[in-house]
Amino acid sequence: DTGVSQDPRHKITKRGQNVTFRCDPISEHNRLYWYRQTLGQGPEFLTYFQNEAQLEKSRLLSDRFSAERPKGSFSTLEIQRTEQGDSAMYLCASSLMDTEQFFGPGTRLTVL
Amino acid sequence: SQQGEEDPQALSIQEGENATMNCSYKTSINNLQWYRQNSGRGLVHLILIRSNEREKHSGRLRVTLDTSKKSSSLLITASRAADTASYFCATGGSNFGNEKLTFGTGTRLTIIP
Repeated sequence: DTGVSQDPRHKITKRGQNVTFRCDPISEHNRLYWYRQTLGQGPEFLTYFQNEAQLEKSRLLSDRFSAERPKGSFSTLEIQRTEQGDSAMYLCASSLMDTEQFFGPGTRLTVL
Repeated sequence: SQQGEEDPQALSIQEGENATMNCSYKTSINNLQWYRQNSGRGLVHLILIRSNEREKHSGRLRVTLDTSKKSSSLLITASRAADTASYFCATGGSNFGNEKLTFGTGTRLTIIP
């Protein structure tokens, strides 16, 4: 399978704990995006990278959120001191400069 | 925040009928895209229409765009059970749709066999 992969698929954590998600984009794609989706809503943009450079961050991305793409390949999204309001599906997508975005299956986070 | 809203929020039709979903958005766009999301799965890109286009077809899908009304519609003809999913419109910031997407709230489509 050469699509976008995300790990883990599900994460349950206690409030206050830190969590880290990983996204592996389609290999030749230079752009990588993170979105968050809550129940009954459409995805909301969080941040995106072009190669290893983080080009834009949403205001939704509080100081507790950090994303990296150290070698321009996979990316990690870390949430520190999780809150119950962080419970959501976290979606990763990748694209070339001039194509549509291809989405991964998502990581469902539940904060207890 | 969401850019737009889909209408209706939910739609149930018999297999074989046509399904029409509408999307309204708020700001000027370069392109509008439609995505499908099956239960528990990721989003699948269906079609992209640019701001200078009025209509586009892809298989059983037909998309229209009216920039004067800031609205788009997605028509699925001859619906099948496999079309059961949530459908989202998304607006993009570039001509190719490769920058951040702003999604609507989605239409939940149920095809009754």
